[in-house]
Order: sequence, then C-alpha cells, then structure tokens
Amino acid sequence: GAVVSQHPSWVICKSGTSVKIECRSLDFQATTMFWYRQFPKQSLMLMATSNEGSKATYEQGVEKDKFLINHASLTLSTLTVTSAHPEDSSFYICSARDPDRAEANYGYTFGSGTRLTVV
Amino acid sequence: EDQVTQSPEALRLQEGESSSLNCSYTVSGLRGLFWYRQDPGKGPEFLFTLYSAGEEKEKERLKATLTKKESFLHITAPKPEDSATYLCAVQARTGGFKTIFGAGTRLFVKA
Repeated sequence: GAVVSQHPSWVICKSGTSVKIECRSLDFQATTMFWYRQFPKQSLMLMATSNEGSKATYEQGVEKDKFLINHASLTLSTLTVTSAHPEDSSFYICSARDPDRAEANYGYTFGSGTRLTVV
Repeated sequence: EDQVTQSPEALRLQEGESSSLNCSYTVSGLRGLFWYRQDPGKGPEFLFTLYSAGEEKEKERLKATLTKKESFLHITAPKPEDSATYLCAVQARTGGFKTIFGAGTRLFVKA
C-alpha cells in the first residue's frame, strides 16, 4: 500500500531558529501533498496544499512567509518553520494523495507526524 | 461552510461493550466521508470511505454507516487494542481534494 515517510519524528529547537520537516511518498508519486497541524486533543487543521512544481495554496490565517512549503519533486514536500517561536510548538502531519488510486477511494495516506517543540 | 462534528468527545467502554461513535456533517456536495484511527503521537490511519447514504462498510469489529447528515462508527465487542482516537472527515465535490476533519472521539477500552 501507499507509504508516506515523515522526518524527523520529533525536534526541539531554540526560539528564532528555523526547522525543516520532510514528507516523502515512498512507493507512489504524489502530485499533491497536504500539511496539517494538530494541537493536543484537537483535530487536524489544514495549513496548506502543496502541488508539485507550483506554489503552495495556504489556508486562511496561515502565514506564507513563516511556513515555507516546497514541493520540488513528485515524491518530496518540505515544510520549513521559519523563525520559530514557542507558539509554533505543535504536531505537524503531512498527507499525500496517490493519483493512480481511484479518486478518493482509499482516502489519504498520512505521515507519522513531527512533534515540534520550540524552547 | 463545510463542517464536521463528532460526538462524544470521549468514550470509555468495558471490553466487550459495544457502542457507536457519531459524526454529523455539513458539506456542499459530498464526495466522500472518511474514518481514520489515530494513536497517540502518530499520524491518522485510514479505515473507511463512504460515498452515499445507505452505504455500509465493515472491518473486523468496526462498521461504518452513512446517512445524508451523519455517519456512525459501530464498534462491536471492543478490545483494549481498539483504544485510540477515531477521526471523521469529509471531502466536498468542489474545493479540490481538501479534507475537513472533525475533532475526533477518544475511545478507551478497559480490559
């Protein structure tokens, strides 16, 4: 089945530094990837839609300059949290759509998530 | 506005005690309704997709049903390993492939 690998699984960084999170589709080509953040006991909130070879589409309220998304290949999307602050601490999860599967029949495949802690 | 509401927020069951989780949704033209399981510190794991009212799908002790306004996830004779957060999500026919998630139901099954 479709596998999405996300790294790192956890990261601790100092306030003001930048952190890069990678999301890779291992056995399929993902033209579209999604980035979510999740606060404790809350649902997944979509941050942006990442399309290979084009600019990401950000949801309302998400700062483009703070959360940089790059989708340079069909198997890799990256999320960079720039100048991180403690309020950016959260669980970040990526997901990918396999275009060869029948529409949304199998839902989306999610990465295992990245726990970001900014101190 | 597309919206998903799940209830209850948390559910505590004894092993073998069957129950149901509810997902109410509002969407402008449903493409699909999804159920996912999420373990602590992990990404969601796909369970089911439902497309139209009346549809049902089963997997082991889980059965998902769909009406025009809500979906139920029935858990029959649950075991402690079924303890997890169950997420419901919808996709509208319009709006690309954007998925709207509910807040989830945290299920605890005690042996």
